[in-house]
Amino acid sequence: AQKITQTQPGMFVQEKEAVTLDCTYDTSDQSYGLFWYKQPSSGEMIFLIYQGSYDEQNATEGRYSLNFQKARKSANLVISASQLGDSAMYFCAMREGVYTGRRALTFGSGTRLQVQP
Amino acid sequence: EAQVTQNPRYLITVTGKKLTVTCSQNMNHEYMSWYRQDPGLGLRQIYYSMNVEVTDKGDVPEGYKVSRKEKRNFPLILESPSPNQTSLYFCASSLTSGSADTQYFGPGTRLTVL
Repeated sequence: AQKITQTQPGMFVQEKEAVTLDCTYDTSDQSYGLFWYKQPSSGEMIFLIYQGSYDEQNATEGRYSLNFQKARKSANLVISASQLGDSAMYFCAMREGVYTGRRALTFGSGTRLQVQP
Repeated sequence: EAQVTQNPRYLITVTGKKLTVTCSQNMNHEYMSWYRQDPGLGLRQIYYSMNVEVTDKGDVPEGYKVSRKEKRNFPLILESPSPNQTSLYFCASSLTSGSADTQYFGPGTRLTVL
């Protein structure tokens, strides 16, 4: 089974509008971290936001917020007031705790967001 | 500036010619890792290191070697590159191997093996 599922291969949003990128995850660990990364066309991987499994509040970082619903195992990224520079590929990723000794990030397949003027 | 650096950023080489991709971080991170990114396959971990002299295989280690002689450096070695190792490679580091620690990525190395 996929550990991280991003069901939206591509999304369009108008400039200045908000957009939600979906992410569901699967783990049997109690302790895990959820991350969102942005990959622009230039290729680098930019960290955006983190949510811990024990965090009761949803994480926020500037225009980015994470809608964390633990019971539903979802961790959706919300970008408010979209800008043209937000056009990029967005990856949801998970870092598990106890059972995965490698401590690797497991990535979803990504969502390509295009912001239209 | 806190960062992960990789060199070279772009490399075109031929089958069988040994190469090394360097990775360095200035954040005193214990954990370092190499990933490769391929269309349709996403990002997959190649090797990782929990600390100096402690390395282990990830999901796709075949054809690669690593070493961690110093805390800041984690080079990726391709002893005999083949065309199926053409990929975008990322080095990443985090403070520790804990699930709460963010992995910060280098700018990537685009490798083409002819």
